Amino acid sequence: QLQLQESGPGLVKPSETLSLSCIVSGDSITSGDYYWGWIRQPPGKGLEWIGHFYYGGSTDYNPSLKGRVTISVDTSKNQFSLNLNSVTAADSAIYYCVRHWQSVDPWGQGTLVTVSS
Amino acid sequence: EIVLTQSPATLSLSPGERATLSCGASQYISKYLAWYQQKPGQAPRLLIYDASNRATGIPARFSGSGSGTDFTLTISSLEPEDFAIYYCQQRSKWPLTFGQGTRLEIK
Repeated sequence: QLQLQESGPGLVKPSETLSLSCIVSGDSITSGDYYWGWIRQPPGKGLEWIGHFYYGGSTDYNPSLKGRVTISVDTSKNQFSLNLNSVTAADSAIYYCVRHWQSVDPWGQGTLVTVSS
Repeated sequence: EIVLTQSPATLSLSPGERATLSCGASQYISKYLAWYQQKPGQAPRLLIYDASNRATGIPARFSGSGSGTDFTLTISSLEPEDFAIYYCQQRSKWPLTFGQGTRLEIK
């Protein structure tokens, strides 16, 4: 059964870098059959795509994040990571790692990251 | 960026009633629309993909329709567990975008 599990600090200081990892079990991120990516949701608000990659292909980032985001891949661990730099309180959200093609399925359980000093 | 507008923002209905949720796209997106259900404290769950295809394990009371710019999610007879927030999402053009959600609440 495919599972995605996010991990990383729950608290990040303003202006620093938010770093999260997603460990994938039950599928290979190198299979080339799907996109893998990140979506976030500020508490009580809607959903926003951050970015995604297709192994062996392109990586796309949401222009709204203005070059602050990087997604990297560790094939030896079958995991991928998110780095978001120069964070502000507006980056406080639940961060989900996901797999998608025709739709987003499945989702990780999500991890809450709060940006605060 | 393609903007998805969901209506109504809140829908108040009783169990057993029929729910009709709408999603409008700011540009033509063909059939490339999905619907998700989100309950408090949970990740969203896929209901419908490519406008009208039910995801695995989704009850038949959920159905989707539409193409182009206008889409509808219908729940034929509401069960108590259906009261949640519903989001639409397009995959026609990057960045992929979601609607702002419709809250389905018990009347």
